[in-house]
Amino acid sequence: DIQMTQSPSSVSASIGDRVTITCRASQGINSSLAWYQQKPGKAPKLLIYAASTLRSGVPSRFSGSGSGTDFTLTISSLQAEDFATFYCQQTNSFPITFGQGTRLEIK
Amino acid sequence: EVQLLESGGNLVQTGESLRLSCAASGLRFSTYGMNWVRQAPGKGLEWVSAISGSGGRTNYADSVQGRFTISRDNSKNTLFLQMHSLRADDTAVYYCAGGFTVAGYFHFGMEVWGQGTTVTVSS
Repeated sequence: DIQMTQSPSSVSASIGDRVTITCRASQGINSSLAWYQQKPGKAPKLLIYAASTLRSGVPSRFSGSGSGTDFTLTISSLQAEDFATFYCQQTNSFPITFGQGTRLEIK
Repeated sequence: EVQLLESGGNLVQTGESLRLSCAASGLRFSTYGMNWVRQAPGKGLEWVSAISGSGGRTNYADSVQGRFTISRDNSKNTLFLQMHSLRADDTAVYYCAGGFTVAGYFHFGMEVWGQGTTVTVSS
């Protein structure tokens, strides 16, 4: 199985900050990586797929990059509604696996 | 409006069975690959199972292989998860999630999610 490791596990930041979350796969997954945002008590929401393609309707302050084993999610200027937990997910092969999550908190 | 609505979650005893359903509306259901993803209390997301749009291809996590069966009825726009031999570590919120596939893989991610249904397994 492919293991997905996110870092950091949690981060505190302020409104307007730039934040980067990284995700590393235990083996190459091409660009088969998605990022999700989850708020407490709610279902996850797809933000980015194919490593860098922004889903329609997602604000442009979110961006993704990477291929192979190393990926990043960047939020260019944090807004109040961005505070949540973020997960990466590989879809290159079954079983599909998620990272452990990164909790983004308000400083 | 695209919507997935799960049902069937309940409190059950260890070893019992349960069937979850996910009713889809507002989308061409048969064109979507579908998944079950679960989240134990206070934990992260865990993929459980996937099924192709036609229903002809299924995949399972090792943790549920042989105990859970995913299926779908495209005539009723409904996804199912039959769960047997339930264990305490199956306790979780179960989400159904769908997306387009390429050669059976979710390269576009899972774009549609339900609100979840809660399964609690008590010993």
